Amino acid sequence: DARVTQTPRDKVTEMGQEVTMRCQPILGHNTVFWYRQTMMQGLELLAYFRNRAPLDDSGMPKDRFSAEMPDATLATLKIQPSEPRDSAVYFCASGLHRRNEKLFFGSGTQLSVL
Amino acid sequence: AQSVTQLDSHVSVSEGTPVLLRCNYSSSYSPSLFWYVQHPNKGLQLLLKYTSAATLVKGINGFEAEFKKSETSFHLTKPSAHMSDAAEYFCVVSLYSSASKIIFGSGTRLSIRP
Repeated sequence: DARVTQTPRDKVTEMGQEVTMRCQPILGHNTVFWYRQTMMQGLELLAYFRNRAPLDDSGMPKDRFSAEMPDATLATLKIQPSEPRDSAVYFCASGLHRRNEKLFFGSGTQLSVL
Repeated sequence: AQSVTQLDSHVSVSEGTPVLLRCNYSSSYSPSLFWYVQHPNKGLQLLLKYTSAATLVKGINGFEAEFKKSETSFHLTKPSAHMSDAAEYFCVVSLYSSASKIIFGSGTRLSIRP
């Protein structure tokens, strides 16, 4: 079964530390989304890549967050420095850009910033 | 253990007829339940959510869903489909007290026939 793989599954860190989350999209997919889920805000779109190029990162706090795709098999989301308000579950999703694109979600990274 | 099952991968209805997208869940605790919509090449949008208040939840764009504990279901309905409703719909279950247990259904693609 093809699946989107996210690592780490859980991350606990202290305020001010750098956090890097990784996502391996499904082979052949050319779109990648990063979402953040909190109970208060629901699901927020942080960044959207197509063919490794960022198309929309307007939902991402630029001063501390950065998202990249160094190659087609890896997407990263980095927070530096991390803050307690960043605590959430971060989801990666991948898909194939075409009409009626369907997304496949990873299992998420639970981030706790103390 | 928690799980969420969307019973139909694809639903096709005629414009003006009712829509029913089915979702069943399994949870050891009182869950929060969400429906999200994803339009082609767009991010996810929250349609509605259930968090242990009224069992009939009204969302945006005329959609509503009813939480039925006895049937462990949270089906999404709309009385009259519009062409603009064509999209992918995701049912999501999460533990109300923890952001770490969030599970996405596999999605249902809704097609609208003229």
